[in-house]
Amino acid sequence: EPEVTQTPSHQVTQMGQEVILRCVPISNHLYFYWYRQILGQKVEFLVSFYNNEISEKSEIFDDQFSVERPDGSNFTLKIRSTKLEDSAMYFCATRDTLNTEAFFGQGTRLTVV
Amino acid sequence: SQQGEEDPQALSIQEGENATMNCSYKTSINNLQWYRQNSGRGLVHLILIRSNEREKHSGRLRVTLDTSKKSSSLLITASRAADTASYFCATEYPTDSWGKLQFGAGTQVVVTP
Repeated sequence: EPEVTQTPSHQVTQMGQEVILRCVPISNHLYFYWYRQILGQKVEFLVSFYNNEISEKSEIFDDQFSVERPDGSNFTLKIRSTKLEDSAMYFCATRDTLNTEAFFGQGTRLTVV
Repeated sequence: SQQGEEDPQALSIQEGENATMNCSYKTSINNLQWYRQNSGRGLVHLILIRSNEREKHSGRLRVTLDTSKKSSSLLITASRAADTASYFCATEYPTDSWGKLQFGAGTQVVVTP
């Protein structure tokens, strides 16, 4: 069964450093998303991406965050200057059309120290 | 907030028993999706139910949707220890043009042998 693949599974970084989280979507999917889950809290929407541009973003997704799909396969989330409060599990999700199942990757656990 | 809210927050049952959890939401939806998350792991898609559907089944899982009450339930029949996980509902609203999902806080289910 096709699946969404995220790397790395765990990333530890120092405050102020840049991190890039990677996702390989399911191949025929067109809609891409990043969500995050702070430990013990709800899963929160960060950003949606369609047709090579951001279609919607939340208040959390400020100037420190960016997304891109540089080579037509990988979908990346970059955090420019990490803060302690960025520590969370980050999930990539993809779907082929709207109003269908959204499939999530296994997540990247980001720990900022 | 339009987010779905699950109840109960936690559920402890014995193997073989049924587990029922509920999700309520505030406004009309396109669809509602149920996910399972094993401790600290990824989100596994279980079932999607659209606003024009009332019931769906997948193996030992049964999901119902009552749009008049703005609620959905997930029933796990003949539970097993491996069903121990957190279960989340996530709603997609017509006002969210790009298909973002809004998650509830989840129900933590513990199945004891």
